[in-house]
Amino acid sequence: ETGVTQSPTHLIKTRGQQVTLRCSSQSGHNTVSWYQQALGQGPQFIFQYYREEENGRGNFPPRFSGLQFPNYSSELNVNALELDDSALYLCASSLVPLPTDTQYFGPGTRLTVL
Amino acid sequence: AQSVTQLGSHVSVSEGALVLLRCNYSSSVPPYLFWYVQYPNQGLQLLLKYTSAATLVKGINGFEAEFKKSETSFHLTKPSAHMSDAAEYFCAVSRYNNNDMRFGAGTRLTVKP
Repeated sequence: ETGVTQSPTHLIKTRGQQVTLRCSSQSGHNTVSWYQQALGQGPQFIFQYYREEENGRGNFPPRFSGLQFPNYSSELNVNALELDDSALYLCASSLVPLPTDTQYFGPGTRLTVL
Repeated sequence: AQSVTQLGSHVSVSEGALVLLRCNYSSSVPPYLFWYVQYPNQGLQLLLKYTSAATLVKGINGFEAEFKKSETSFHLTKPSAHMSDAAEYFCAVSRYNNNDMRFGAGTRLTVKP
């Protein structure tokens, strides 16, 4: 059983560009959540996808968008990058979209915006 | 809305000493509470969770936490620290009708030989 994987590991972009981050969920998990972790802070919830539909969103602007595919892998897209978007982006998968269900985190993608 | 406050951004203990990491929560409804650990360059790993069953929760690696409603606390403890416990620890809260899990700012645990 493979765990949650994310790609790429590191990414450098310039302000105004667009970026796509990818996540493969753990086998059998149909729910994926995305988090932003700025340096020295705890993760902040961006949104969750369940069976290809958005199932809850945190306090992030619309330029943060996502997709979930039939195989339950997921993408996070960020348009019009800003310097403050520099962070570690974590994806987590779970068996069901319940707050009590254990979330399994990937190692993250470190995004640097210059 | 729910939130957590972790008291102490850095905690240093000697190997073999008691580990105590503090977490206080705020929630308008009964909360679900979690402790996660993050090792350098890795994602988060669940240590334990409270989901309204037993108030004393035992987790992996010898950690446990006690839910105290009267004190709105969910402190993490381990009787004897190991060098391998050095990491960043996050307390988090969610609730039954919301998938927005809120994390604290984290506590970095250092274990001295």
